[in-house]
Amino acid sequence: DQQVKQNSPSLSVQEGRISILNCDYTNSMFDYFLWYKKYPAEGPTFLISISSIKDKNEDGRFTVFLNKSAKHLSLHIVPSQPGDSAVYFCATSNSGYALNFGKGTSLLVTP
Amino acid sequence: EPEVTQTPSHQVTQMGQEVILRCVPISNHLYFYWYRQILGQKVEFLVSFYNNEISEKSEIFDDQFSVERPDGSNFTLKIRSTKLEDSAMYFCASILNRGDYGYTFGSGTRLTVV
Repeated sequence: DQQVKQNSPSLSVQEGRISILNCDYTNSMFDYFLWYKKYPAEGPTFLISISSIKDKNEDGRFTVFLNKSAKHLSLHIVPSQPGDSAVYFCATSNSGYALNFGKGTSLLVTP
Repeated sequence: EPEVTQTPSHQVTQMGQEVILRCVPISNHLYFYWYRQILGQKVEFLVSFYNNEISEKSEIFDDQFSVERPDGSNFTLKIRSTKLEDSAMYFCASILNRGDYGYTFGSGTRLTVV
């Protein structure tokens, strides 16, 4: 049961460039979408979210885009910094019920 | 910044033994969760807890699992008879209100069943 898919297990980007992480979901009932960031030996940390009534949400260097018709969301990090190197999880929710996570994308930002 | 605290950070147990994983959620939060991540797999929901009762649970959360909030600050996950496949990272999380999607997660307990 893979309701949330992150098809790229890893991504490498040069410092200063844009990082784009992608996520696809299957259930059109999902109404909230989130990105979490995880460093080794730590729990996931909430990064940014978007509700289904919007198509874009921006917070500093981080922007999340939602394409409901394609059931796709993406996270853009501009400019990427070495400290952004982490595993990024996409997660979805339906009306406040439990989060459904993807498998994660490991981002490496190189100097 | 308030934290969710989990203890122990690593627990090794023999198959068939009972384990209790402990969590101290953020003090004014009302909703509590356990999630787990088996190595190489996605983070999976186990159970949510509100007002001293389970509000939602997944298929993973069978009769071997139980949760408790014994004293108003701790939130525990008990596995009665551990199996090898219970080996995973277990994360506790809390939020103030349902619909506050930005959960605060603890650092996790790595459970190894041998």
